Amino acid sequence: SAVISQKPSRDICQRGTSLTIQCQVDSQVTMMFWYRQQPGQSLTLIATANQGSEATYESGFVIDKFPISRPNLTFSTLTVSNMSPEDSSIYLCSVASASTDTQYFGPGTRLTVL
Amino acid sequence: GQQLNQSPQSMFIQEGEDVSMNCTSSSIFNTWLWYKQDPGEGPVLLIALYKAGELTSNGRLTAQFGITRKDSFLNISASIPSDVGIYFCAGREAAGNKLTFGGGTRVLVKP
Repeated sequence: SAVISQKPSRDICQRGTSLTIQCQVDSQVTMMFWYRQQPGQSLTLIATANQGSEATYESGFVIDKFPISRPNLTFSTLTVSNMSPEDSSIYLCSVASASTDTQYFGPGTRLTVL
Repeated sequence: GQQLNQSPQSMFIQEGEDVSMNCTSSSIFNTWLWYKQDPGEGPVLLIALYKAGELTSNGRLTAQFGITRKDSFLNISASIPSDVGIYFCAGREAAGNKLTFGGGTRVLVKP
């Protein structure tokens, strides 16, 4: 399985600011995803991070609010822009390999917006 | 869109008991994945299922891919305190498509 690290592991931010979350994988993977998990809820896919091109966003999520980069096969960033308290969630990076059709998750970034 | 119904939403276990949870879908899936999430952690993959009827074990965990390809169950035998956590099922309609997650089953210890 892939080893995934995320930075920061947690943060407390002020309303109106932005936070960039980093995701690093220890091996080249086909697909990288970003999920949000609101308190007490299941996981919701924000977008698929595409290497070298714009991310593919799910319904309800837009690039202006959640810009994503993926400069290579092992690294991606998610920015939560102009934050409000409703953005308080756990943000999870996830990777998948087309060859094995499994998917693994990073440890998550716990974000609290005041 | 796709719906994944996971039940029960929560359950209490006593050490030594067997535990069972299941997921049903409105769509046919090619892959079922079961995860466990501990507090403050990301979900950890427990079992992956790829074929209808497939029964797979991982220690005290057993999961099956339903014959109709619209359901899956997870059993935990002889539960222990560290089995406490949230279990999620997830399904994928075809290789490369996104995962759809169930609502989770919260496993708690009986007081």
